[in-house]
Amino acid sequence: KNEVEQSPQNLTAQEGEFITINCSYSVGISALHWLQQHPGGGIVSLFMLSSGKKKHGRLIATINIQEKHSSLHITASHPRDSAVYICAVRSNTGNQFYFGTGTSLTVIP
Amino acid sequence: EAQVTQNPRYLITVTGKKLTVTCSQNMNHEYMSWYRQDPGLGLRQIYYSMNVEVTDKGDVPEGYKVSRKEKRNFPLILESPSPNQTSLYFCASSLSRSNYGYTFGSGTRLTVV
Repeated sequence: KNEVEQSPQNLTAQEGEFITINCSYSVGISALHWLQQHPGGGIVSLFMLSSGKKKHGRLIATINIQEKHSSLHITASHPRDSAVYICAVRSNTGNQFYFGTGTSLTVIP
Repeated sequence: EAQVTQNPRYLITVTGKKLTVTCSQNMNHEYMSWYRQDPGLGLRQIYYSMNVEVTDKGDVPEGYKVSRKEKRNFPLILESPSPNQTSLYFCASSLSRSNYGYTFGSGTRLTVV
């Protein structure tokens, strides 16, 4: 049973394209996180959301609590955006985290 | 610099030989957690700790132990490692229950032969 589902699993885009990665979850949450993992393995936290929308540079994250769905958008994509993007949720019934299996993004110049 | 420090970065060991992976944070975070990452399975939580002397099992605790004697340190102990514990391990920390960002360590790649 997967508490967090992401789509697509793999995504290839041309530089400059608008990119959307989707995340659906099945548990009650206190927060949703978007993480970025570059080749070489380091993980960076991009956003933490409990409602609404957040923007940081070319990245935008939205969450719809009623629909249990979040999206990560990248505007004007660049090759340096190539990474694995991971959706994670923090359960509101405990303190466990559940993770999607990630979306591998490749941006071609 | 605010960070989570894991050691070692790489470790090859033999089945049954006890090992400890250390994790330390300098941000006075209450919440600390260990994860393993495997191809096709993604990140899975092993153990987490809400504060000193408070630890709880995550999704995959079997074969692992943890302790939280000090706020800054949260070591992961494999008493008798087996090959199925070969994985990439991450430690992470955050302020307590508040909806706060998460800081990850650089990872430890463990191979058990």
